[in-house]
Amino acid sequence: GAGVSQSPSNKVTEKGKDVELRCDPISGHTALYWYRQSLGQGLEFLIYFQGNSAPDKSGLPSDRFSAERTGGSVSTLTIQRTQQEDSAVYLCASSLDLAGVTDTQYFGPGTRLTVL
Amino acid sequence: DQQVKQNSPSLSVQEGRISILNCDYTNSMFDYFLWYKKYPAEGPTFLISISSIKDKNEDGRFTVFLNKSAKHLSLHIVPSQPGDSAVYFCAASFGNQFYFGTGTSLTVIP
Repeated sequence: GAGVSQSPSNKVTEKGKDVELRCDPISGHTALYWYRQSLGQGLEFLIYFQGNSAPDKSGLPSDRFSAERTGGSVSTLTIQRTQQEDSAVYLCASSLDLAGVTDTQYFGPGTRLTVL
Repeated sequence: DQQVKQNSPSLSVQEGRISILNCDYTNSMFDYFLWYKKYPAEGPTFLISISSIKDKNEDGRFTVFLNKSAKHLSLHIVPSQPGDSAVYFCAASFGNQFYFGTGTSLTVIP
């Protein structure tokens, strides 16, 4: 079946512009995560959605970052007024996350963001 | 502050030998640990996990060991195969948050 998909695969933008990154999770997965991997860094947790609950935004690095998940499925990560330090690969993952049991996450291929 | 650390950025092993990848963590509240494997230009894929109530979990050629007192996690691959060459991330979980190490690049030499 289809895995997690992300678009675009690559995005080059100018400093100060806004960008939107999209994630389509696996159908039926209630949990959705956004991470980013900067050069030489580990995967950094950004935000977590579970069903219709309020998202856990504790990992967002600044108020320029926001994310939505419409209809419990597709998610969009928005970065406003991009800065060069926002350059990274942004990864989305989804999981079944049934009954609060930690479940394995399935990752998308990522969006490579380059801010010039 | 990095709560999960992989201190070896790279590792080279001969085909057929054992690969041992190590991971240390600082937060004693972590209760679930995972290893992911990542090929270039792809997202990480889940490999194996272990709950904090266990000290070992085995799946085929892959075994994960957990030493809670030392806050240390390791992944053993035996025998190593060239197709195992990839970046391996360890991750630790508490609640809904996952913390990842910086990865170890494994090269299995034929």
